Amino acid sequence: SYELTQPPSVSVSPGQTASITCSGDKLGDKYACWYQQKPGQSPELVIYQDTKRPSGIPERFSGSNSGNTATLTISGTQAMDEADYFCQAWDSNTGVFGGGTKLTVL
Amino acid sequence: QVQLVESGGGVVQPGRSLRLSCVASGFTFSSYGIHWARQAPGKGLEWVALISDDGRTKYYADSVKGRFTISRDNSKNTLYLQMNSLRAEDTAVYYCAKSERVATIMDAFDIWGQGTMVTVSS
Repeated sequence: SYELTQPPSVSVSPGQTASITCSGDKLGDKYACWYQQKPGQSPELVIYQDTKRPSGIPERFSGSNSGNTATLTISGTQAMDEADYFCQAWDSNTGVFGGGTKLTVL
Repeated sequence: QVQLVESGGGVVQPGRSLRLSCVASGFTFSSYGIHWARQAPGKGLEWVALISDDGRTKYYADSVKGRFTISRDNSKNTLYLQMNSLRAEDTAVYYCAKSERVATIMDAFDIWGQGTMVTVSS
């Protein structure tokens, strides 16, 4: 079965750039999307179709996807961005999530 | 306001059944594929099942295939998940989520419900 691999944790200082990776076989041939989940809340879509931002998502969130890796980049990271982030893609009629990355802003 | 509201969760014994519901509002429910996803306590997200806008196409995760059934009633703007032969490992918060694009099923989930907790325990 298809797997997406994320680092368990990423740390970043306020105002700096955070990059979260998501790796999967030929992931670049598929659309990747990203969700943010804060404690006790439902996930929220922050990037879809590799690079698109839903309405209301700040411009500091951006995405890319090439080869075997999709990347979520948060520029000028703020304390409010501290959360779990999950990548997701589709393979053989099955939805697949990455294991999630805890972003710590310190 | 676009909204999904789940209900039907609770505590159930292993081997028993439970039916979850998800009521949609604020968008044309019959135009979108809808999904169920779940999250075990302290764990990551797991996609469970999807159903197309017209209800004709359904796909399931291997972990629930043959035990869970997804369905919808477009006249009631409601999605269902019938869960049979429940196991301890099915314990999770269950979310319904809407496909981002019209008439597209393998898509990002742009709207999520608040979730309903299912606990399978004797």
